[in-house]
Amino acid sequence: GAGVSQSPSNKVTEKGKDVELRCDPISGHTALYWYRQSLGQGLEFLIYFQGNSAPDKSGLPSDRFSAERTGGSVSTLTIQRTQQEDSAVYLCASSPQIRDGYTFGSGTRLTVV
Amino acid sequence: AQSVTQLDSQVPVFEEAPVELRCNYSSSVSVYLFWYVQYPNQGLQLLLKYLSGSTLVKGINGFEAEFNKSQTSFHLRKPSVHISDTAEYFCAVSDRYGGATNKLIFGTGTLLAVQP
Repeated sequence: GAGVSQSPSNKVTEKGKDVELRCDPISGHTALYWYRQSLGQGLEFLIYFQGNSAPDKSGLPSDRFSAERTGGSVSTLTIQRTQQEDSAVYLCASSPQIRDGYTFGSGTRLTVV
Repeated sequence: AQSVTQLDSQVPVFEEAPVELRCNYSSSVSVYLFWYVQYPNQGLQLLLKYLSGSTLVKGINGFEAEFNKSQTSFHLRKPSVHISDTAEYFCAVSDRYGGATNKLIFGTGTLLAVQP
């Protein structure tokens, strides 16, 4: 597609439920990234994919968080047993190579109630 | 490990005045540097980037930034701001040589608030 697409744009979930967030990167972009943006906290790195492999998962905050990427394209970020502190905007970005910077999606706003 | 510091969380400025948004970084390796802008209720978009060569780089919407290796800084400037420049601005750094650390590290952002 023309840009990075994320769905849903908004998600309200009850504490303890599992959620899946989807990212569809720009076609041909081999690198895909997930970040979390909380008010006043800037952008917190979560995970980086190169193709279908994740060489850097260092930012995942706990084992409740996982992500996968299939076919070198679509990625899914899964949060199990959601907690209120998981409430944030989850951003996906893709890139052909780091010197080009990222193209970001519009994000998924997750609210845990 | 790399890090980015944006000391000013908010910068108020009057329309048509000049502005500078400060960014300092820390890295033990050569870097690429970026500025992103996030307008209210929108996604982040790339303003400009420094890869190599001339230390003064120009971006969209009349913004420019200067790379200063000795001061490890990459400050963003605009000679005359408009109301429409009101947004959050993020500085970011990456390892030039990528590999397993092939990602951008972002600062906490600076809110530029342009007043009439």
